[in-house]
Formats: sequence, C-alpha cells, structure tokens
Amino acid sequence: KNEVEQSPQNLTAQEGEFITINCSYSVGISALHWLQQHPGGGIVSLFMLSSGKKKHGRLIATINIQEKHSSLHITASHPRDSAVYICAVNGNQFYFGTGTSLTVIP
Amino acid sequence: DVKVTQSSRYLVKRTGEKVFLECVQDMDHENMFWYRQDPGLGLRLIYFSYDVKMKEKGDIPEGYSVSREKKERFSLILESASTNQTSMYLCASSFSGRAGETQYFGPGTRLLVL
Repeated sequence: KNEVEQSPQNLTAQEGEFITINCSYSVGISALHWLQQHPGGGIVSLFMLSSGKKKHGRLIATINIQEKHSSLHITASHPRDSAVYICAVNGNQFYFGTGTSLTVIP
Repeated sequence: DVKVTQSSRYLVKRTGEKVFLECVQDMDHENMFWYRQDPGLGLRLIYFSYDVKMKEKGDIPEGYSVSREKKERFSLILESASTNQTSMYLCASSFSGRAGETQYFGPGTRLLVL
C-alpha cells in the first residue's frame, strides 16, 4: 500500500507544452513537498505546501487538503525541465511517491 | 545555503565487503536520514538520527547499520554487502524534524555490488 500515489509515472512532452503532475495521499499531513531529481541523482526541493497555491517562475504547485490531492504544473516546458518529480508528504513520518519521469523534447 | 555532501558519487564493491557511506551537512541540522532509491519503489527510509549517538530504524533497516558520532556526520554501514543492496543511496538532513519541515538532500551515491 502506497501512502502517496503519483500520476503519470512517465510523461513525454513537446517543448512549450503545459504539464501537470498529480499527487494523491491517504494519510493526515502537515505539509506536502515537491522535489526535483536531476539525472545523476541530486534532489532539489521545489515547494513546500500546507494550503493553497505557490508559484516559482514557470512552476506552480497547488494543494487541496480536503481532497488530499496536489498538482505540480509547469508552464512553457523546456528540455531543461526533464527530470524526475517526486511528491512527498510530512505526516508522522515522511512518505514519498515513486516519482514522475518527465522528458521534454525540443 | 544548506550543503549536504556524500563521500562518493559512485562505488563498486564485491559481495561480502564492508561498505561505509558517509554524509556530512554544514548547517548544524539535528536530523539526518539515509534513504535508498530503486526504480519503481521510490525513496525508502533506512535509518534516521535525531541527535548525536541516537538512531531510529526506518522502513528497511535490515542489512544496514548507522553511526552518528558527530552532529554533522551520519554514516551508513553495510556490514556484508549483497547484490540486492545495489542501489542509489541518498542522505538528507533537516533542522529539527518538526512537522512540515523540508529535508535537504545530498547528491547521492550510486552503489554497485558485484
């Protein structure tokens, strides 16, 4: 049983497309994180959310606490956005989704 | 900026060898974590530490041990490496482990056990 489910698992997009990655969770949480993992392994924290919406450049993250769902949007996608995007929630411990592998084609 | 470093990016070991993976953070964080990441399984917590000389088992501690003699350093030890321990190992740290806090990750160590 996975406490955090992400969809899709794999995503290929053309440069410029609007991208959405979804995350659903089944545990009570105090915050949700979106992480980006570059090829080679390094992980970067993109957002930490407990309610509403956050925006950073072309990235937007939203969370609906009642529905236990979050989305990560990328506007005007670019090949450098190609990475694995991981959703993680902070409940009584950290739970991680299995990640969404995004490839943006020029 | 928080910096979490890991001793090796790539490591190749033979079955039965003792393996040490070291992680150092430079922001005086109290909590440190070791994860492994495998395709289709995501990140799984092996051990974490909330203070010097303190450790707690995570989801998959079997075959691993840890050491935290100094606050900035958290070591993962494979007492007798096996092929099923071939994986990407990620270290992370956080300030106090309070709810909602961000973990900062190191670059990862890709371990191959032959």
